[in-house]
Amino acid sequence: DGGITQSPKYLFRKEGQNVTLSCEQNLNHDAMYWYRQDPGQGLRLIYYSQIVNDFQKGDIAEGYSVSREKKESFPLTVTSAQKNPTAFYLCASSTRQGVNGELFFGEGSRLTVL
Amino acid sequence: GENVEQHPSTLSVQEGDSAVIKCTYSDSASNYFPWYKQELGKRPQLIIDIRSNVGEKKDQRIAVTLNKTAKHFSLHITETQPEDSAVYFCAASREDSSYKLIFGSGTRLLVRP
Repeated sequence: DGGITQSPKYLFRKEGQNVTLSCEQNLNHDAMYWYRQDPGQGLRLIYYSQIVNDFQKGDIAEGYSVSREKKESFPLTVTSAQKNPTAFYLCASSTRQGVNGELFFGEGSRLTVL
Repeated sequence: GENVEQHPSTLSVQEGDSAVIKCTYSDSASNYFPWYKQELGKRPQLIIDIRSNVGEKKDQRIAVTLNKTAKHFSLHITETQPEDSAVYFCAASREDSSYKLIFGSGTRLLVRP
């Protein structure tokens, strides 16, 4: 069954701790993305990656880090430097490198900082 | 950079009526405008998109119109059904920044049976 898998679905973290959200896709897509969703603010781009071993900052990258060591995987680390990390995080991928194409989303990870 | 504004934030319609959601964008170079639907507790999914070389596109009960001069585009849903209830997001991007879709803030549509 092809798609994007995010884990965990729910995550609780204490202030000052780093946490890593997993995103795996078996769609053979080149591009992967991380978005943050807050109520009333739509989806905001954190990081994106067009190819393996390369990634770029989105609009709200501060306090986050990513890696792209494999085509299938694009984990997101929410660091202690992120001032307001409680949010819903969505991972996505797309296939049409260089051309606007459909984003395929995972089911999301809800992070709550206690 | 691009800024996308979406209205209304909430919309309630009677089943069978039409629903219209409007978005405006700021970057005149934007040329790709998708719409995503997110049902409660589910992932966003693309429902329709339009590129700047066309003014209107239809797919069964949904249609999108684009006015490049005014820099706005709209989603039209006719004969609404309860399963149309969801949050709808518009977005815009440029050809040379295809990875940087800028999303609107979303519209929560409720279709009353």
